[in-house]
Amino acid sequence: QQPVQSPQAVILREGEDAVINCSSSKALYSVHWYRQKHGEAPVFLMILLKGGEQKGHEKISASFNEKKQQSSLYLTASQLSYSGTYFCGTGGAGSSNDYKLSFGAGTTVTVRA
Amino acid sequence: DVKVTQSSRYLVKRTGEKVFLECVQDMDHENMFWYRQDPGLGLRLIYFSYDVKMKEKGDIPEGYSVSREKKERFSLILESASTNQTSMYLCASSPIRQGGLNEQFFGPGTRLTVL
Repeated sequence: QQPVQSPQAVILREGEDAVINCSSSKALYSVHWYRQKHGEAPVFLMILLKGGEQKGHEKISASFNEKKQQSSLYLTASQLSYSGTYFCGTGGAGSSNDYKLSFGAGTTVTVRA
Repeated sequence: DVKVTQSSRYLVKRTGEKVFLECVQDMDHENMFWYRQDPGLGLRLIYFSYDVKMKEKGDIPEGYSVSREKKERFSLILESASTNQTSMYLCASSPIRQGGLNEQFFGPGTRLTVL
């Protein structure tokens, strides 16, 4: 089952912050975050693993709450280059299932000057 | 750099045609994936392969089949294309690493239109 992302879209001015949430109805082993710019392939940002630490990529960081089965992506002091659609991908525990991800519908972020 | 290439960026086919979408990766990754991407639905997994000749169905396998005869190549086949298969198709690959640190690398996508 696909995780639920919220919000669907957000518009920011340069320098503002935003939070994107990703919630799953099933237990999670890992959460991946990807960003896709218009007309391009999705690009990996970071992975969070069960029991792992909060991760960061430039001024983008993420957390993983195992109890709530939820991950949040934090865009801090946003830049124009942060515009794009952000997807979370969730993986459950198991052998082959470790490699399969269920992706959310995406959150479109628009950063304006 | 990992490179995942797809045979076509744009493809137009007629209803009932057999369609082949090819994907090649150059980093010796064990896992390969086919997704379709539709507005508002995100990425949905069609098929997954974790080794040569091995495959698993994803969430929406109906109307599709796959082939993986060589490690670097993963093909998606639409046996009889239908208009509801008009979509963007993305291929991805990932390594197998301990601890689940297995990020996926995506190709540029093939936009398929079925008339």
